[in-house]
Amino acid sequence: AQSVTQLGSHVSVSEGALVLLRCNYSSSVPPYLFWYVQYPNQGLQLLLKYTTGATLVKGINGFEAEFKKSETSFHLTKPSAHMSDAAEYFCAVSDQGSQGNLIFGKGTKLSVKP
Amino acid sequence: DAGITQSPRHKVTETGTPVTLRCHQTENHRYMYWYRQDPGHGLRLIHYSYGVKDTDKGEVSDGYSVSRSKTEDFLLTLESATSSQTSVYFCAIAGASGNTIYFGEGSWLTVV
Repeated sequence: AQSVTQLGSHVSVSEGALVLLRCNYSSSVPPYLFWYVQYPNQGLQLLLKYTTGATLVKGINGFEAEFKKSETSFHLTKPSAHMSDAAEYFCAVSDQGSQGNLIFGKGTKLSVKP
Repeated sequence: DAGITQSPRHKVTETGTPVTLRCHQTENHRYMYWYRQDPGHGLRLIHYSYGVKDTDKGEVSDGYSVSRSKTEDFLLTLESATSSQTSVYFCAIAGASGNTIYFGEGSWLTVV
């Protein structure tokens, strides 16, 4: 069965500092991997996704993630945090061809200090 | 904007009453989903649909039923609401490529 582990339910960084949110997955088949962001009282917005091809994926708002098969990881990074990045971030995995049956991690809440 | 509308957006109901949440899409996509979100659990799949009158169970389907009589509408019903069903419910659709899921704005349900 697939699963997703997000290390750290809360992460706090200073404005301008590197953002690193960790995600590890387990899957018996090649996965699709996703990062979503959720602002308070809103739905989930897709940040980026990995399906096939290039393992370094760039998304919106300056975020990127790298698929590392050997480490079963898909960590999310941003070189310089902005106050507007404060939100909850969810990593998710699905099987190729499963048509969107996503398995989500429990989320990481990012705080950005001025 | 993924063209997904959920209604109602907020509802308070009493234990034992039936509740129906509606998801409407304007994208004519085949796949639609209902998830629930709870603190410490992330999002969990309740039911999904792969076409009109074609539905299947997800991870947490007990206590829920769904119906899809038209491509654009996917209904989630709690036959007899319980306090454990207090949650935020999200509808989602699969994009044209089939490998990206877009979410609605959510429906906050409180069962008292």
